[in-house]
Amino acid sequence: AQSVTQLGSHVSVSEGALVLLRCNYSSSVPPYLFWYVQYPNQGLQLLLKYTSAATLVKGINGFEAEFKKSETSFHLTKPSAHMSDAAEYFCAVSRAAGNKLTFGGGTRVLVKP
Amino acid sequence: DAMVIQNPRYQVTQFGKPVTLSCSQTLNHNVMYWYQQKSSQAPKLLFHYYDKDFNNEADTPDNFQSRRPNTSFCFLDIRSPGLGDAAMYLCATSSPGGGVFNEAFFGQGTRLTVV
Repeated sequence: AQSVTQLGSHVSVSEGALVLLRCNYSSSVPPYLFWYVQYPNQGLQLLLKYTSAATLVKGINGFEAEFKKSETSFHLTKPSAHMSDAAEYFCAVSRAAGNKLTFGGGTRVLVKP
Repeated sequence: DAMVIQNPRYQVTQFGKPVTLSCSQTLNHNVMYWYQQKSSQAPKLLFHYYDKDFNNEADTPDNFQSRRPNTSFCFLDIRSPGLGDAAMYLCATSSPGGGVFNEAFFGQGTRLTVV
């Protein structure tokens, strides 16, 4: 079985400050890991994915995430928050390529001017 | 440029009145998924099709059914919507296999209101 835990359902950052969203996973097999972003009343857009290549993954909009097997973590970061980063972020895990996703509870990011 | 298209974006239905949500894709992907996302919650998988093979999640209520008449289209039928079925319904597609990973592509969602 797989599971994902996102620490913090809400995160508030100032514009220009570091964004750090935490994700820990549990998987009995080597996982595929993803971060998705969701804007209000929209679908999910892929930010980045880990598929057992490089442990540091760069995504769109300046986001990156680091896979740490020893910590079973896949935290998402962005050095400098922009107002347009205000959204909900979901970490997800799947067992195999293109397989069904198990999502974490989501973290809503608020960016203060 | 839209790749996964859901119609309608907003649907209002009456309590107990059958409703169908639709999803189409231009990606020619094998797999199509339906997720239910209630307010302030994570998406929850209801079922998926791998080609014509239907795969139901163990805890998906019988009230929810799906049809996939061809590769491009997939429908979500709610036979007797209850107030608790009000949610955003997300369709997604993917194309696994061949040693190359492909992520899931999501549609914009259909927000269902039950009155």
